[in-house]
Amino acid sequence: QKEVEQNSGPLSVPEGAIASLNCTYSDRGSQSFFWYRQYSGKSPELIMSIYSNGDKEDGRFTAQLNKASQYVSLLIRDSQPSDSATYLCAVRDDKIIFGKGTRLHILP
Amino acid sequence: DADVTQTPRNRITKTGKRIMLECSQTKGHDRMYWYRQDPGLGLRLIYYSFDVKDINKGEISDGYSVSRQAQAKFSLSLESAIPNQTALYFCATMGSGSGNTIYFGEGSWLTVV
Repeated sequence: QKEVEQNSGPLSVPEGAIASLNCTYSDRGSQSFFWYRQYSGKSPELIMSIYSNGDKEDGRFTAQLNKASQYVSLLIRDSQPSDSATYLCAVRDDKIIFGKGTRLHILP
Repeated sequence: DADVTQTPRNRITKTGKRIMLECSQTKGHDRMYWYRQDPGLGLRLIYYSFDVKDINKGEISDGYSVSRQAQAKFSLSLESAIPNQTALYFCATMGSGSGNTIYFGEGSWLTVV
């Protein structure tokens, strides 16, 4: 059974600080990785995708991938109250496997 | 209009009743999925389909069935609903290319009383 592991949180971060979210996956052959944000009762929305080792930046978000360590992370710079949500890490093979999500709370 | 549409968005049904959740998509994707979400348990895959003639069980298929009526339509049925099937259900689609990701419908809240 392929697995994606995340710390459930909640992770509390002061407004304006950097939030760091982490994820590990079990299938060494995985090639495609995604971060989704989900507000309570709403559908997940894609924030970032990453396919190669290293960093990928998009605005305030940076995804980091280390395939040797089977580790994916998401950094959110200048955290805002609107970033308070659950963040889902996902790994694709013929379907997409999701972690259980990390709840992030930005403290005003 | 949403690319992935689920109906109904909310439904309360009684134990033992049959209920169908419908999903249609305009993205032209061949792959469609049904997920269930419960607090603390994340998104769990119920069934998925790669085309009209291809149906696959996910990790929690017991008590559910699906029908892929057309490339754009994928319905989920609870033949005899039970209270622990109360959850938020998501339909999703994905293109077959390796760089494609998954797109979700808005979700269907189902309560079984």
